[in-house]
Amino acid sequence: GAVVSQHPSWVICKSGTSVKIECRSLDFQATTMFWYRQFPKQSLMLMATSNEGSKATYEQGVEKDKFLINHASLTLSTLTVTSAHPEDSSFYICSANSFDRGETQYFGPGTRLLVL
Amino acid sequence: TQLLEQSPQFLSIQEGENLTVYCNSSSVFSSLQWYRQEPGEGPVLLVTVVTGGEVKKLKRLTFQFGDARKDSSLHITAAQPGDTGLYLCADSGGGADGLTFGKGTHLIIQP
Repeated sequence: GAVVSQHPSWVICKSGTSVKIECRSLDFQATTMFWYRQFPKQSLMLMATSNEGSKATYEQGVEKDKFLINHASLTLSTLTVTSAHPEDSSFYICSANSFDRGETQYFGPGTRLLVL
Repeated sequence: TQLLEQSPQFLSIQEGENLTVYCNSSSVFSSLQWYRQEPGEGPVLLVTVVTGGEVKKLKRLTFQFGDARKDSSLHITAAQPGDTGLYLCADSGGGADGLTFGKGTHLIIQP
């Protein structure tokens, strides 16, 4: 199998602070990592696509200066929510895949963010 | 922009009953994937279908892909409480792109 972890699993922060979420592929090297956001009772919405060593590609409507993505290695991508506000409260989920695993994306367990 | 419609949005049935949920796309799928997600967790891949008319079975779950590759159904036989969850269909977009998800069907199986 392929395991993807996320840290932290949940975080509560004050409005205006920044929060970093880590996504790691534990037993394979991820060519690409994806970040999704899921609001309560809604589906997953793609935020950005991240390739190791290059800038992330953001979906329309997602502010790249607010959601900073770093993909420094083939096993780690980070999402930093800068100056978080209550409307950023959501469930953030990453996924990862690699060329030798075809189209399958392996999802992490998600990070619940609550901004007070 | 591809739109994926899933129906029904909510479904609550008794244990032992059969059910079918649907996924329809505004455009042809690159490949269709079905996921199940439990509260507070990431989605788990159930199946990937690629060929029009394809049928795949996974124990009590039967997945059908329409001939035109724009629709799919998931049939569950003798539903169990462990089947409870959010069932999502998604288009893989060819592998290098992120997935496009439908809004999902919230399924509750009551004991």
